[in-house]
Amino acid sequence: GNSVTQMEGPVTLSEEAFLTINCTYTATGYPSLFWYVQYPGEGLQLLLKATKADDKGSNKGFEATYRKETTSFHLEKGSVQVSDSAVYFCAFREGAGSYQLTFGKGTKLSVIP
Amino acid sequence: GAVVSQHPSRVICKSGTSVKIECRSLDFQATTMFWYRQFPKQSLMLMATSNEGSKATYEQGVEKDKFLINHASLTLSTLTVTSAHPEDSSFYICSASRTANTYEQYFGPGTRLTVT
Repeated sequence: GNSVTQMEGPVTLSEEAFLTINCTYTATGYPSLFWYVQYPGEGLQLLLKATKADDKGSNKGFEATYRKETTSFHLEKGSVQVSDSAVYFCAFREGAGSYQLTFGKGTKLSVIP
Repeated sequence: GAVVSQHPSRVICKSGTSVKIECRSLDFQATTMFWYRQFPKQSLMLMATSNEGSKATYEQGVEKDKFLINHASLTLSTLTVTSAHPEDSSFYICSASRTANTYEQYFGPGTRLTVT
């Protein structure tokens, strides 16, 4: 069935370190891919998205590229900040006509000064 | 914009009682609202989808008589956990979207339910 697998956390990095959070998916058709972020005490927020193969989503210095050949959507940031500490969720939505999101388990990131 | 609130943020109730969780879209009209459940270190699992003025659509395995959902207005949906048991303890999250088929869901901060 449909599923999302993302690297388990928690991940602890020093400020200005490089971040990669791996995400792979199993889906039929041509899904849209998302990364959501949840800051402490807040709801999930859409961080970035990509709707077709080879698209690159980017926001706030984060990037992820839709790789259909490897069914992956890894999240990267070149230099993390303390304010990036949060839980990151990879998700996908099946093609047109579907509203349902399938989420990964989330990866908690802690950035220390 | 697109703020969703949930109330309460935390609730503790005794086994056998019922508890109601509210989900409100504060600055937009939500034709569709979603209820999720999240166990520790697990994914968000969709429980049900509700459209304003209609009966909710429940996912397979979710007991509709236990998890009552009401979406009486375009800004409010409620989830009532009836006759709660300790295994119902979880983190409940709602989201809202302006239309049924948009990918953009705006999430509430969640409600931590503990049943003793």
